[in-house]
Amino acid sequence: GEDVEQSLFLSVREGDSSVINCTYTDSSSTYLYWYKQEPGAGLQLLTYIFSNMDMKQDQRLTVLLNKKDKHLSLRIADTQTGDSAIYFCAERNQGGKLIFGQGTELSVKP
Amino acid sequence: NAGVTQTPKFQVLKTGQSMTLQCAQDMNHNSMYWYRQDPGMGLRLIYYSASEGTTDKGEVPNGYNVSRLNKREFSLRLESAAPSQTSVYFCASSEASGGRNTEAFFGQGTRLTVV
Repeated sequence: GEDVEQSLFLSVREGDSSVINCTYTDSSSTYLYWYKQEPGAGLQLLTYIFSNMDMKQDQRLTVLLNKKDKHLSLRIADTQTGDSAIYFCAERNQGGKLIFGQGTELSVKP
Repeated sequence: NAGVTQTPKFQVLKTGQSMTLQCAQDMNHNSMYWYRQDPGMGLRLIYYSASEGTTDKGEVPNGYNVSRLNKREFSLRLESAAPSQTSVYFCASSEASGGRNTEAFFGQGTRLTVV
């Protein structure tokens, strides 16, 4: 079946790097995504990676994909208080379903 | 740009009442989705519609029905609301449901409480 797992909480100090991890089970995943949700709002796409890539960098964001272990991570460099939010990992399979993890609540302390 | 619009934003229902959550998108997207968000559970897919005229069950379809009225609109109906359906509901749309990369755009959510 399809399952996406994340740890629920992460706390870092402002200026440090944050690493949010995700594991998934569906080997037919085509694209993997990171979404950000701020309080009271919907989800916004942060970045994505195609399943045949290992790494993608986009300004302060680095996505690493280990397809063999079905492990995805999001690294945020120089984390700021404005990065405090819930971060969701999601996978899209070939059938078109978009499955989300539980979300990781990132807390950034000054 | 309106994007994805959900109505209502808030709703309180009594157990056994019915209601329909409305969703419309103006981006000419083929695929639309309904999710529920509960603490510690993330977003769980209720139903999705890969294209106009088709609907498929997601992870948690029981107690819900959907209608893809046309390409723009995808409604979610609770026939007999239960307290377990208290949640925040999100509608989303994306350009296609196939392998091509497609960003999903989300509505602002409907906060539903069933008492």
